[in-house]
Amino acid sequence: GAGVSQSPSNKVTEKGKDVELRCDPISGHTALYWYRQSLGQGLEFLIYFQGNSAPDKSGLPSDRFSAERTGGSVSTLTIQRTQQEDSAVYLCASSPQANTGELFFGEGSRLTVL
Amino acid sequence: GDSVTQMEGPVTLSEEAFLTINCTYTATGYPSLFWYVQYPGEGLQLLLKATKADDKGSNKGFEATYRKETTSFHLEKGSVQVSDSAVYFCALSGSTDKLIFGTGTRLQVFP
Repeated sequence: GAGVSQSPSNKVTEKGKDVELRCDPISGHTALYWYRQSLGQGLEFLIYFQGNSAPDKSGLPSDRFSAERTGGSVSTLTIQRTQQEDSAVYLCASSPQANTGELFFGEGSRLTVL
Repeated sequence: GDSVTQMEGPVTLSEEAFLTINCTYTATGYPSLFWYVQYPGEGLQLLLKATKADDKGSNKGFEATYRKETTSFHLEKGSVQVSDSAVYFCALSGSTDKLIFGTGTRLQVFP
């Protein structure tokens, strides 16, 4: 499709396991963002990419979280040694360029850590 | 740092009622302001925006005016419909390249 695609849509994992979440942005969009939406919370910024580089990683909650983007397209968010507090919906968004504020969001990956 | 504060929900209204969802912001410089909407089971989507003071953003009958003097960007609609039931997020784009969101306000409209 033409929109932002995220996979998996749902992931249940055991505490301590590693998980990878994938984002396919809209073709041609140079900026890509990861946010986290927890129950009763707003959208928490995690990281953004301009091309393949990440100028702002300030939102990553701990060193268990990492993200990469390759070919200026697909991005992967990796959470190592998951904890229960990592349970949330992880949202990816892309934009034709950074700093426009006009983001196109995917439907999210719901992560549940047991 | 930059931040957005919006009224807590849920906001519960009858169809055709007037809607206001309050949003205020703190930012250095001159941010752009946005309202995003998340319908049940769907991803967030941009509803409207305003890029400078006194600008009015509008879409689908919703309006919001960028008020620099009160640092506000309240969302309004004259007559809500059941289909407007969703979560509404106020957001700003300021001195950094990231979009900063409020906590969201759930709107429930009953027939």
